[in-house]
Amino acid sequence: KQEVTQIPAALSVPEGENLVLNCSFTDSAIYNLQWFRQDPGKGLTSLLLIQSSQREQTSGRLNASLDKSSGRSTLYIAASQPGDSATYLCAVKETSGSRLTFGEGTQLTVNP
Amino acid sequence: DVKVTQSSRYLVKRTGEKVFLECVQDMDHENMFWYRQDPGLGLRLIYFSYDVKMKEKGDIPEGYSVSREKKERFSLILESASTNQTSMYLCASSLRAREQYFGPGTRLTVT
Repeated sequence: KQEVTQIPAALSVPEGENLVLNCSFTDSAIYNLQWFRQDPGKGLTSLLLIQSSQREQTSGRLNASLDKSSGRSTLYIAASQPGDSATYLCAVKETSGSRLTFGEGTQLTVNP
Repeated sequence: DVKVTQSSRYLVKRTGEKVFLECVQDMDHENMFWYRQDPGLGLRLIYFSYDVKMKEKGDIPEGYSVSREKKERFSLILESASTNQTSMYLCASSLRAREQYFGPGTRLTVT
């Protein structure tokens, strides 16, 4: 059974810092990996989707990488801002179905 | 832009009531999903549907049922609500195996 782990569970940084969020998964037979953002009490917003054949995806200040063989993905946030404060979740889709398996998320606080 | 809407943001129901949570998407997506999210347990899949009138159980289907009579609408039904079903419920949709898009969530409290 696929398991997804996100470390750290919480992170607090000063504004302007570059930071990395980590996601690891136990079964490397994945179809894609998706990073989401969740604000308190709200739904999930899709940030980046990386297909299993890709190594990275970029959107603005966000860059996500994927190393399928080692079961790892990272989300890099450049020049962090207070508005980036949220919980970030990664989820993997296995090749054998449509369902996603989620990590428990990293709660990020960017202090002004 | 993909839009997934859920019928209520907040809902308070009594134990034993029948509860309907509605989800509608406007992008002609085949797949629709219902999750619940609880502190310390993360997001867990309740049911999903890959076509009209088709459904498959997720990881925690007990106490729930679903209905998909039209492609754009996926309903989650709590036949007899219990206090342990107090949770945040999230609906999502996707086009085949592509990225999932989520609704705003329904915070359900069962008293």
